[in-house]
Amino acid sequence: QVQLQESGPGLGKSSETLSLTCTVSGGSISDHYWTWIRQPPGKGLEWIGYIHYSGSTNYNPSLKSRVTMSADTSKNQFSLRLNSVTASDTAVYYCARQAPNSNWFDPWGQGTLVTVSS
Amino acid sequence: QSVLTQPPSVSGAPGQRVTISCTGSSSNIGAGYDVHWYQQLPGTAPKLLIYHNTNRPSGVPDRFSGSQSGTSASLAITGLQAEDEADYYCQSYGRLSGYVFGTGTKVTVL
Repeated sequence: QVQLQESGPGLGKSSETLSLTCTVSGGSISDHYWTWIRQPPGKGLEWIGYIHYSGSTNYNPSLKSRVTMSADTSKNQFSLRLNSVTASDTAVYYCARQAPNSNWFDPWGQGTLVTVSS
Repeated sequence: QSVLTQPPSVSGAPGQRVTISCTGSSSNIGAGYDVHWYQQLPGTAPKLLIYHNTNRPSGVPDRFSGSQSGTSASLAITGLQAEDEADYYCQSYGRLSGYVFGTGTKVTVL
């Protein structure tokens, strides 16, 4: 059974870069696409983007200029970098799996709260 | 920012049937992209509830059902139970926007 776990600093400063890692256990990241989704406190879900282990990516157009994703098959991890953050980037960040030829997300990690302060 | 519209809240007594609508456009649901549904219990991560408009993953009770028509989709919960109290989100794909989620609906069991 595949499990995902997000990790990274819970606090960041405005204008800096947010970096998070998702560690996959119980399966290989070489089999699927891997996605980041975020949820501001008390608000809805927003898709950030996905990465394939080959390195191909697809980002939300609204965040594309600030997002970089990467994958490390040797560690079975994939990562998110979001630069020039502001308070509006404060959210719970989730990583999730997307099966090939599908466009739904399952399973999800438990999420990690990132707070951006000024 | 959500391009899929859901009612903010729905409620029902135990045992009743409730439905949640998800309204999109010709750029997403109406373009033939599937709709999926997630349940988010308080303080937890979303969990896949329905995929490919109508399919339930293993372990999801059959009181949850999905449908899709035109530019909209619906989630129905029959025989509402206290444990169904949660937030529900629809999700699809848009040619210009990528993957999109609904605005979310809070289900309250009276």
